[in-house]
Amino acid sequence: AQKVTQAQTEISVVEKEDVTLDCVYETRDTTYYLFWYKQPPSGELVFLIRRNSFDEQNEISGRYSWNFQKSTSSFNFTITASQVVDSAVYFCALSEKSPNAGKSTFGDGTTLTVKP
Amino acid sequence: KAGVTQTPRYLIKTRGQQVTLSCSPISGHRSVSWYQQTPGQGLQFLFEYFSETQRNKGNFPGRFSGRQFSNSRSEMNVSTLELGDSALYLCASSPDNKPYEQYFGPGTRLTVT
Repeated sequence: AQKVTQAQTEISVVEKEDVTLDCVYETRDTTYYLFWYKQPPSGELVFLIRRNSFDEQNEISGRYSWNFQKSTSSFNFTITASQVVDSAVYFCALSEKSPNAGKSTFGDGTTLTVKP
Repeated sequence: KAGVTQTPRYLIKTRGQQVTLSCSPISGHRSVSWYQQTPGQGLQFLFEYFSETQRNKGNFPGRFSGRQFSNSRSEMNVSTLELGDSALYLCASSPDNKPYEQYFGPGTRLTVT
């Protein structure tokens, strides 16, 4: 069975601070996909980043970066120089390979508040 | 391409009634997944349809059902509504070559009174 744990329920930072959101996952599959989504108050889930289990290279995309470590089953997400518009609920999610790929397991979410 | 659309966006129903929600996927996507989001249970997978067949099913009672049409549009139905069914219902569509890449719609917010 899959499981995703986001231990941080709420985080509050001041604008321009860096913030890291933690995610730990469990799966028995060797091929899987990890995601971070952002959910603003409007409710729609906005895709941010995806990582495949066979690619542990960590990258930076604009103000976003991520740290994927299979050894610790962690997929942490960092926002650099946070902005007020980054305030939202952030979800980490896990999807296994086809035919179960369309069945994602989500963490409970981390509510990020960025204060001006 | 137009994104995933869901109708209606808001719905208020009375306990015991039934409701049907609709989801139109991105053009060319044949997979549609449904999720329920509540404050207490978080985001939970309901079911996935691919090419008019249910491919995956979550752990929900039989009151929750769905179907998919030949144009890939999907509907989900909840019968005998309970107060606990109040939630945001999200659907997502995926391309055939990347079934893990889900594009979410804006959701339907259902309130059961």
